[in-house]
Amino acid sequence: DAGVTQTPRHEVAEKGQTIILKCEPVSGHNDLFWYRQTKIQGLELLSYFRSKSLMEDGGAFKDRFKAEMLNSSFSTLKIQPTEPKDSAVYLCASSSDRGGAETLYFGSGTRLTVL
Amino acid sequence: SQLAEENSWALSVHEGESVTVNCSYKTSITALQWYRQKSGKGPAQLILIRSNEREKRNGRLRATLDTSSQSSSLSITATRCEDTAVYFCATDAGTGGYKVVFGSGTRLLVSP
Repeated sequence: DAGVTQTPRHEVAEKGQTIILKCEPVSGHNDLFWYRQTKIQGLELLSYFRSKSLMEDGGAFKDRFKAEMLNSSFSTLKIQPTEPKDSAVYLCASSSDRGGAETLYFGSGTRLTVL
Repeated sequence: SQLAEENSWALSVHEGESVTVNCSYKTSITALQWYRQKSGKGPAQLILIRSNEREKRNGRLRATLDTSSQSSSLSITATRCEDTAVYFCATDAGTGGYKVVFGSGTRLLVSP
């Protein structure tokens, strides 16, 4: 079975640009998560979808970050406009709801560098 | 402050030795999970232990959960160089299971 696929693996953007990161969850999973990982902050939850409905919109990340589930097998994370502090690894994870404990399956991430 | 936190930033052992990573958390939980992340990869789950369980094993790995002290441990026996990774504990942060919050991780180095 295919795992979670994230593209691109690396992205370099100039400050102020718009970038779109892509994620294909594990087939059949109905929960999808976007996390940001940095050395200082660790893994921070950006967005969470259950059956394509947005359940968590990221609080402090709301203003420039927008995640969407275009269908059950494809999600995007748009950052607009990018800032140097957005440089991080962006991880997508999916899960099948097991009623009270989510096992997350992660992709390998997209490393974003904003100059 | 973190809802789940490993107690050590980094650990170093020699191959064949045993090592334990500890974690404390701050809310009631449905389950606690241990993940491992190798360089260039996303985290991968090692063990999920539910709040009504006290111990769970997976090969050389053993996780314990103490809900009274809100703590957990992950022990690895007979370590191998390929166990070198960052180890995270993660909880559902009292949300009934859906929102998984990670600690900042313990970096384990296993040297020959």
